[in-house]
Amino acid sequence: GQQVMQIPQYQHVQEGEDFTTYCNSSTTLSNIQWYKQRPGGHPVFLIQLVKSGEVKKQKRLTFQFGEAKKNSSLHITATQTTDVGTYFCAGHGDSNYQLIWGAGTKLIIKP
Amino acid sequence: NAGVTQTPKFQVLKTGQSMTLQCAQDMNHEYMSWYRQDPGMGLRLIHYSVGAGITDQGEVPNGYNVSRSTTEDFPLRLLSAAPSQTSVYFCASSETGGWNTGELFFGEGSRLTVL
Repeated sequence: GQQVMQIPQYQHVQEGEDFTTYCNSSTTLSNIQWYKQRPGGHPVFLIQLVKSGEVKKQKRLTFQFGEAKKNSSLHITATQTTDVGTYFCAGHGDSNYQLIWGAGTKLIIKP
Repeated sequence: NAGVTQTPKFQVLKTGQSMTLQCAQDMNHEYMSWYRQDPGMGLRLIHYSVGAGITDQGEVPNGYNVSRSTTEDFPLRLLSAAPSQTSVYFCASSETGGWNTGELFFGEGSRLTVL
């Protein structure tokens, strides 16, 4: 079946360093969504990209959707303690009503 | 505006017991869904509904039943709980569920332990 691979599983950074997570789909996606889940919390929507090659920014966060609509990335510049959590990507493939989820990347700030 | 409300937040069951996880949304969303989240495995879709009276299976439907008698409510039933169903369950809704709909709104989750 369709799969979305997300790497890395964990990333440890010093506060102020950058963070990047990558998603790669086995098939073309109609869209890519990104969610953030704080420890003990629920996923919260960050953004959706739908166009090939699309790039969107939210303050220190930059989201990209690949030209082939099979990969995406989230880059955080100068991480802060408030960025701690797990970041998930998800996209619609063949099924219009079923999102395919990556396994998430956990951002950990080193003390 | 409450958004998506799930109850209970925590539940402990014995193997073989049945229970219902409740989910209600007050945003008049047509699409509602149930996910389970296990460590290192992300979110897996159990069942979903695109409107009252319409339900369909997701990736991991076995052992779970759903119904959608109203737009607001989408309960998830465990018929005979098994330890493999120990997980955190999330209910989520969106306007229509399609790829051009936009965000899913999640409830706060229900943590289920089956002994």
